[in-house]
Amino acid sequence: QQQVKQSPQSLIVQKGGISIINCAYENTAFDYFPWYQQFPGKGPALLIAIRPDVSEKKEGRFTISFNKSAKQFSLHIMDSQPGDSATYFCAASTSQETSGSRLTFGEGTQLTVNP
Amino acid sequence: DGGITQSPKYLFRKEGQNVTLSCEQNLNHDAMYWYRQDPGQGLRLIYYSQIVNDFQKGDIAEGYSVSREKKESFPLTVTSAQKNPTAFYLCASSIWGSDKETQYFGPGTRLLVL
Repeated sequence: QQQVKQSPQSLIVQKGGISIINCAYENTAFDYFPWYQQFPGKGPALLIAIRPDVSEKKEGRFTISFNKSAKQFSLHIMDSQPGDSATYFCAASTSQETSGSRLTFGEGTQLTVNP
Repeated sequence: DGGITQSPKYLFRKEGQNVTLSCEQNLNHDAMYWYRQDPGQGLRLIYYSQIVNDFQKGDIAEGYSVSREKKESFPLTVTSAQKNPTAFYLCASSIWGSDKETQYFGPGTRLLVL
C-alpha cells in the first residue's frame, strides 16, 4: 500500500519535444506529491510538487497533472532541453505524520534529451 | 550559506568494519532522514529523526545505526552486519510547519567495499 510505481524506467526524447513520466499510488492517505530531479553524483533537488486539491500545477516548462480518482500523477516537461537530461523521481507522503514526513519514492526515470 | 553537507564524498569499507557517514545541516530543520540509493532503484528510507534524541527505523534499517544528539547532526553508521553496503547514501532534512513535506537533500556519500 505504500508503493509508488513509476514509468517508464528510461525515456529518450528529441530537443524541443515533450517528456512525460507517470506515477501511480495505492495509499489514499497520500496528500503531497513532489517530483525530484537528480543529476549524476548529486543529491535530488525538488522540482515541483502538487497537493490533491488541484488537478494541475505548472511552473515554467514543468507541469504536474493529478488524477485523484485514478490515483495517478504525471510530470510533463515541455520543450525538453539537453540540460533536462537527468533522473526524475516521483514521491508521495501523508500529512498524518506528526513532524517532517516520510516520502515514498518511485523507482526513477532516466531522461535523455538528444540535441 | 545554508544547506546540508555530507562527508566524505567517497568512503571505502573493509570486510567486518563499521564506518560512519556524516550529515550536517544549518537550515534549522527539525527532521532529518537517511536514504540508500542503488542503481536503477528509487530511494529507500533507512532511518529518520523528527527531534533530537529520537529516531525511527525506516524500511531498510537492518545493519545500520544512527544517533541524533544535536539538531544539526544525524550521523549514520554502516555496521558489519550490513552485508551489501555498496550504495549511494543520501541525507535529507525538512522543516516543521506548513511546508514540512519538502525534503532537502545533501550531495551524498558513495560507499564502496574493498
